[in-house]
Amino acid sequence: DSGVTQTPKHLITATGQRVTLRCSPRSGDLSVYWYQQSLDQGLQFLIQYYNGEERAKGNILERFSAQQFPDLHSELNLSSLELGDSALYFCASSVETDTQYFGPGTRLTVL
Amino acid sequence: QQQVKQSPQSLIVQKGGISIINCAYENTAFDYFPWYQQFPGKGPALLIAIRPDVSEKKEGRFTISFNKSAKQFSLHIMDSQPGDSATYFCAASSRTDKLIFGTGTRLQVFP
Repeated sequence: DSGVTQTPKHLITATGQRVTLRCSPRSGDLSVYWYQQSLDQGLQFLIQYYNGEERAKGNILERFSAQQFPDLHSELNLSSLELGDSALYFCASSVETDTQYFGPGTRLTVL
Repeated sequence: QQQVKQSPQSLIVQKGGISIINCAYENTAFDYFPWYQQFPGKGPALLIAIRPDVSEKKEGRFTISFNKSAKQFSLHIMDSQPGDSATYFCAASSRTDKLIFGTGTRLQVFP
């Protein structure tokens, strides 16, 4: 157990819908990262937050947005969902720039 | 310059054999090199990590070899077991920038 929690575990929704994925980092970790992993693919970095502020942005679509709250938990919002958005979404947290600890992921299925 | 190139993409090894996965980087500011192991449907988990002040680090059957001048590092899995079958990601970071992940290597160990 990495100490990073993600909810929900599974999410099934329809095209055009909007969903919110939630992540709670390890205690003491200020950075939260979001990754997308499609079937048998690598880790696509989406976005990083550090202590509530956006720190780095990767290949995140305009339909996607994220935020980190004062209690350091983070949410990833995905809107106008398309079939191609079906993937595993991972949250990771870290103290500084080194080891990232990954959560168990949320499996999103868009029908 | 921020890329970490990983090879091979997939690897098939017989039980008891040695699995070798290689990574190369360009950014000389990188000073932390972890390897992550990911089982299907699970989040990546830290396996072993090295900093450039040493050329080799061993933990059980897993060894990282680091060549600073060549800007390369590799993961060796000795006496590979079917339970080692997973996807392995190398990564690198600096003091000022987050981890950059390689594209992953899918390892299959056959009995």
